[in-house]
Amino acid sequence: EVELVASGGAVVRPGGSLRLSCAPSGFTLNNFAMHWVRQPPGKRLEWVSLISWDGKTSYYADSVKGRFIISRDNNRNSLFLQMKNLTHEDSAFYYCARDAVGLGWPDFWGQGTQVTVSS
Amino acid sequence: DIVMTQSPDSLPVSLGERATINCRSSQNILYDANNRNYLAWYQHKAGQSPKLLIYWASTRESGVPDRFSGSGSGTDFTLTISSLQAEDAAIYYCQQYHTIPYTFGQGTRLEI
Repeated sequence: EVELVASGGAVVRPGGSLRLSCAPSGFTLNNFAMHWVRQPPGKRLEWVSLISWDGKTSYYADSVKGRFIISRDNNRNSLFLQMKNLTHEDSAFYYCARDAVGLGWPDFWGQGTQVTVSS
Repeated sequence: DIVMTQSPDSLPVSLGERATINCRSSQNILYDANNRNYLAWYQHKAGQSPKLLIYWASTRESGVPDRFSGSGSGTDFTLTISSLQAEDAAIYYCQQYHTIPYTFGQGTRLEI
C-alpha cells in the first residue's frame, strides 16, 4: 500500500525553528518530485514548496522564501522541510505530497502533521 | 500570483442529484504549446488528506468513479458530480499548476 508519513510537527514559539520529515512507503521517493502544501485553520490549501526528483531544483511560495528550505535524501528515502523564523501565520497542517509528472500537480498526499506557532 | 476563485462556497444537494462546482483563474492556464489546461481538482474529507480527482482539467485519476468529470478551458472550469452519493460529502478544491506559485481555490463545501 502506498503511504506518505509526515512527522515533526509541534508547538513552537514565534521566531523558532522546526524540521518536518516525510517518508514514503510503497514507492521510492527518488523517482518523484515532491511538494509541501499547508492548510492554516479555516483557510484554503496553500502550496509551500516543490523539489525536483534529484534535489537540484526547488521552488517556494513568497510567504516562506528565505525562511523555509526543502530538501531530500534519496538514499534515506526521505523529504524534509526546514522552517525558521516561524510566525503565527505559519501555523497550519502541513502535507507532503508526491508530484505526478515532475513539475505538475500533487497526485498523492500524506496524512499531514500539525505545526502550531504560539507564545 | 494566479488567483483561483471557486463558486459557490457551499452547495447543498440531495442524494442522486447532480452537483456543479465552478473555478475561475485570474490568468489563462491553457498552455498553447500542448493545448493543455494546467488545472487539477481535489476532494478533501474531514480528517483525511486531499485526494486527486482530475488533472489536465478533464482527465480522471485512476480509480476515481466516472460520476466525477471536469471540463472547461482557459480561465473557466467546472467539476461535475453526477448522481451524488453520501460519500461525496467533502470540500472540493481546484488548483492551477501552470505557474509557480501553484495556487488553490478557496474550496467548495458539498453538503449532502
